[in-house]
Amino acid sequence: QKEVEQDPGPLSVPEGAIVSLNCTYSNSAFQYFMWYRQYSRKGPELLMYTYSSGNKEDGRFTAQVDKSSKYISLFIRDSQPSDSATYLCAMSARGNNRLAFGKGNQVVVIP
Amino acid sequence: ETGVTQSPTHLIKTRGQQVTLRCSSQSGHNTVSWYQQALGQGPQFIFQYYREEENGRGNFPPRFSGLQFPNYSSELNVNALELDDSALYLCASSLQQGARETQYFGPGTRLLVL
Repeated sequence: QKEVEQDPGPLSVPEGAIVSLNCTYSNSAFQYFMWYRQYSRKGPELLMYTYSSGNKEDGRFTAQVDKSSKYISLFIRDSQPSDSATYLCAMSARGNNRLAFGKGNQVVVIP
Repeated sequence: ETGVTQSPTHLIKTRGQQVTLRCSSQSGHNTVSWYQQALGQGPQFIFQYYREEENGRGNFPPRFSGLQFPNYSSELNVNALELDDSALYLCASSLQQGARETQYFGPGTRLLVL
């Protein structure tokens, strides 16, 4: 079983729709949870950073962490064509700064 | 922009050769991490350097090695290149202070091994 599972299937949505992405993980030591956005031929860019369980909202983006289920989610409201990118979940444990990534979801927002 | 730069942007090598990739971290960042991202995959942790010492290593063989310099630059060296080493190599710089550390990624170097 991989440490971080992210269904890599591409996702196409119409502009204005809600995008829902999720990851599951197996390592109970993970306490820091991140979502990165990666445009084609670019490095990953940090979108959201959450510590432990709970919700965090930043503009159109909401990150949720459920440690009891080992499940994290990212929601993008009112999606825009500029949101078209690959979204990677990442996590790390306290005292260990190695980031463990999921495979990424390619999201296409159709105008 | 993250302030992290990498060179070269693209590189083509043949199997068995050696390669050096370079990274320039954000000023003041004392930590640099290197990741390998194969096509269609998430980045995989190679190793991390903190104040010029290796500070953790992923599941990569010893032919992957690194250096970190006092001027916020660093190198990733790969010896005896194999076809499977073809990937995007990412460096990420960060400032270790307390429990939280945010890693800022460079644009990557795309390596093709023929």
